[in-house]
Amino acid sequence: DAGITQSPRHKVTETGTPVTLRCHQTENHRYMYWYRQDPGHGLRLIHYSYGVKDTDKGEVSDGYSVSRSKTEDFLLTLESATSSQTSVYFCAISTTENTEAFFGQGTRLTVV
Amino acid sequence: GENVEQHPSTLSVQEGDSAVIKCTYSDSASNYFPWYKQELGKGPQLIIDIRSNVGEKKDQRIAVTLNKTAKHFSLHITETQPEDSAVYFCAASKLGSGGGADGLTFGKGTHLIIQP
Repeated sequence: DAGITQSPRHKVTETGTPVTLRCHQTENHRYMYWYRQDPGHGLRLIHYSYGVKDTDKGEVSDGYSVSRSKTEDFLLTLESATSSQTSVYFCAISTTENTEAFFGQGTRLTVV
Repeated sequence: GENVEQHPSTLSVQEGDSAVIKCTYSDSASNYFPWYKQELGKGPQLIIDIRSNVGEKKDQRIAVTLNKTAKHFSLHITETQPEDSAVYFCAASKLGSGGGADGLTFGKGTHLIIQP
């Protein structure tokens, strides 16, 4: 498996609280992505990064922000968690844009 | 934006038989089509991919075919085994689109069940 670590692996949080998920890679890949996976929807892109401090929105970015201050770390923040953000979140990395993305193990987030 | 449709949502086959999963895409500019396998509790794993300059690609028991005119691509698994049971996702993206990466657009997945 590619060197991708997501933390935490599981989290339960209350509505209205901020939450930060971390993705750490040891592959020195330029591109990093955050996806969410929901039943009946497959995987949908939240945000992506094409370099340090270079990020952009994906298909379902409302309510989420990201930061990438180092090549190896990509953080996803839920500014004020809602029940609709209960999901499994996956980080992915790739060397070239839009190709051969390798996924982490996922973070299961429950907002109560 | 791109839209990827995947069928069927569930596929049950006898061990040893072949399985075929089909996807269609909407954006004619898409030119990269990977397939991912996801086992329970794990992240998706890339199993094979194809670029639009080829029509078919094989890797042992797995093959992918692409019809650019019809905008559809398929995953073929021959001689299925119990360990092939998983959820399979197709995806599409545009290589060399410039202006930064914008990720993959995924189908909704196919749950493949291999019956012993």
